[in-house]
Amino acid sequence: KAGVTQTPRYLIKTRGQQVTLSCSPISGHRSVSWYQQTPGQGLQFLFEYFSETQRNKGNFPGRFSGRQFSNSRSEMNVSTLELGDSALYLCASSLYRGDEGYTFGSGTRLTVV
Amino acid sequence: AQSVTQPDIHITVSEGASLELRCNYSYGATPYLFWYVQSPGQGLQLLLKYFSGDTLVQGIKGFEAEFKRSQSSFNLRKPSVHWSDAAEYFCAVGHTGTASKLTFGTGTRLQVTL
Repeated sequence: KAGVTQTPRYLIKTRGQQVTLSCSPISGHRSVSWYQQTPGQGLQFLFEYFSETQRNKGNFPGRFSGRQFSNSRSEMNVSTLELGDSALYLCASSLYRGDEGYTFGSGTRLTVV
Repeated sequence: AQSVTQPDIHITVSEGASLELRCNYSYGATPYLFWYVQSPGQGLQLLLKYFSGDTLVQGIKGFEAEFKRSQSSFNLRKPSVHWSDAAEYFCAVGHTGTASKLTFGTGTRLQVTL
C-alpha cells in the first residue's frame, strides 16, 4: 500500500512569508503527527491530529498551525517565516494512537532565506 | 516530562561486527519505546517497539532491543552489521504512557567500514 506522502519535497521561502505543507497518510490511518527536524534541536513534536481534531500539541509558537480534513489528509502552516524555521518537516501517520508505531513520510525540506 | 538520552553521537563498526546502540529514558511508569532509523534525506523507518511483555523485542532487518527497567535502558543490538546499516538511529519514548507525541533522542550516526 502507498506510504505517507508529503508535498512538496523541497521549498524555498523568503523571511516573512507563509508556507503550507501537505501530508497524505496511509489509507485508513486516522492519526497524523508533524515533527520538525533541525541539526540544532533534533526531532521535535509539533502537533497531532485525529479525526479532524488536534489531540496533542508541542511547544511551538502560534505561527505554527495545522489542520486535518475529513479524509485524514493534513496540512501544516507556518506564518511569518523566520530563518530558524528552516528544517525538515516530517509527517507521520498511524491507525489510531500509534501503538503499532508511526509511519513517517520522507519530509518536506523548507529553506527560509 | 519524559526524556531520552543517546550517549553516543557517532559509532563506527566494521562490517560483520556486532553492534549495540545505547538509549536511556526518563519516565516513571512503563513507557512506550521505539527505535527508528533514518537514511540521508529520508524519513524515519520503524525498527521495533516495546510496550509490555517480553523485554527482548525483535524488529526488522535483524535488529533487536532489550528493555531493562532497572537501568531505564532500551539498547538496540544487531549481531552482524551490514554496510547498508549505515544510517542515523533514533530512540524515542511516547508521551505519558501513550505511543504518541514522541520524544526523540539526539540520534546516533552509525558508520560501517568494509
